[in-house]
Amino acid sequence: GGIITQTPKFLIGQEGQKLTLKCQQNFNHDTMYWYRQDSGKGLRLIYYSITENDLQKGDLSEGYDASREKKSSFSLTVTSAQKNEMAVFLCASKTGGSERLFFGHGTKLSVL
Amino acid sequence: GDQVEQSPSALSLHEGTDSALRCNFTTTMRSVQWFRQNSRGSLISLFYLASGTKENGRLKSAFDSKERRYSTLHIRDAQLEDSGTYFCAAEAGGGSGNKLIFGTGTLLSVKP
Repeated sequence: GGIITQTPKFLIGQEGQKLTLKCQQNFNHDTMYWYRQDSGKGLRLIYYSITENDLQKGDLSEGYDASREKKSSFSLTVTSAQKNEMAVFLCASKTGGSERLFFGHGTKLSVL
Repeated sequence: GDQVEQSPSALSLHEGTDSALRCNFTTTMRSVQWFRQNSRGSLISLFYLASGTKENGRLKSAFDSKERRYSTLHIRDAQLEDSGTYFCAAEAGGGSGNKLIFGTGTLLSVKP
C-alpha cells in the first residue's frame, strides 16, 4: 500500500509571511490536490495537478501558489498569510482515471 | 462553477435506525465518492461510484446513472461508531475532468 505524507503537521506563521506546505505520495498517482478546510466546514479546492509540471486552479486559488516539480510531490505556498487565519490544508491524490481519492493527514495552519 | 449541494447539514439518529444522505449536482458528474471524517480529522473513503449502487455492510450508496446529477448514502441500523462528518465529492466530466468538488458535509450524531 501507499501513503501520502504532509509536512509539517503544524505550521505557525506571522501575518504577511510566505509559507510553504509539502506533500509526497508513493502511490505513483497522476493527479494530486490541495484542499483547505476551515473549522466545521467542508473542503474547498485550491489547486490540483494532473501530471508533473501541470497546475490547475480550483475555486480558492487566489492567495496561493502551487508547484508540481515531480510526479510524487505537490507543494502549496501561502503567498501572504492572513492574521488570525486558521485552517487545515489537506493533500490528496488519485490515478488519472476516475478512481478513489486518498488523503494525507493534513497540515494545520495558525497565523499570529 | 460546478456545485455540490449536500443535505442534510446535520443529522441526529438513535442507534438502530436508518437514514439517508443526499448530494445534488448542478451539472452532470462523471463519478462520486463518499467519505467519513472522524473526530481527529482523518478522511476515510467509503465508496467510489461511476454508476449504479455499491453496498458495504450497513452502508449503501447509489449514483443516478441516467442524468448523473445526484447520489445518496444510506445508513442502515445506525451504530455509535457511525458518528462523524460525511462528505460527498463529485468529479465533473469533459474539460473539468479530474476536478473534484466536495459537498459541505453532513454532521451525523448517533445516540444510544
